[in-house]
Amino acid sequence: DIQLTQSPSFLSASVGDRVTITCRASQGISTYLAWYQQKPGKAPKLLIYTAYTLQNGVPSRFSGSGSGTEFTLTISSLQPEDFATYYCQQLNNYPLTFGGGTKVEIK
Amino acid sequence: QVQLQESGPGLVKPSETLSLTCTVSGYSISSGYYWGWIRQPPGKGLEWIGSIYHSGINYYNPSLKSRVTISVDTAKNQFALNLSSVTAADTAVYYCVRDATKAYYRVDPWGQGTLVTVSS
Repeated sequence: DIQLTQSPSFLSASVGDRVTITCRASQGISTYLAWYQQKPGKAPKLLIYTAYTLQNGVPSRFSGSGSGTEFTLTISSLQPEDFATYYCQQLNNYPLTFGGGTKVEIK
Repeated sequence: QVQLQESGPGLVKPSETLSLTCTVSGYSISSGYYWGWIRQPPGKGLEWIGSIYHSGINYYNPSLKSRVTISVDTAKNQFALNLSSVTAADTAVYYCVRDATKAYYRVDPWGQGTLVTVSS
């Protein structure tokens, strides 16, 4: 199985901050990586797929980059509604696996 | 607009079988894509359980494979999860999803999720 390691696991930031979350894969997965946002009591919401493609309706302050084994999710200017937990997921092969999550909280 | 809705018992006894159904609206399962299940124990991360194609081709998480069966009913536009011999460790929110891994390398949309508690 492909292991995904997210860092940091917890992040405290202020509105307007630029935030970067990293996801490292245990083996190369090309660009077959997705990012999800999850708020308490809600299902995860797809933000980005194939490493950098923004899902329809997702604000442009979200961006993704990377390939191979290292990926990043960047929020260019953190908004109040962005405080949530973020997960990466690899879709290079089955079994699909997720990172452990990064919780973004208000500073 | 594709929508998925989970249904099934919220409480299952240890050693019994957890059974959930996902009803899909706005899209015919027979038209394509895989359809899957993902779970999330309270306060923890996400775990993919398995996915199935309308023809019956399936993929299961090796960690659960011996206990999992996913089936599809194209006439009802539903797919189902059976997880046998459950323990407290199977307590989780269970999500049904459209698994577009092979087509577009993404999983979307997700159902709202249903909490299943394993307890006597």
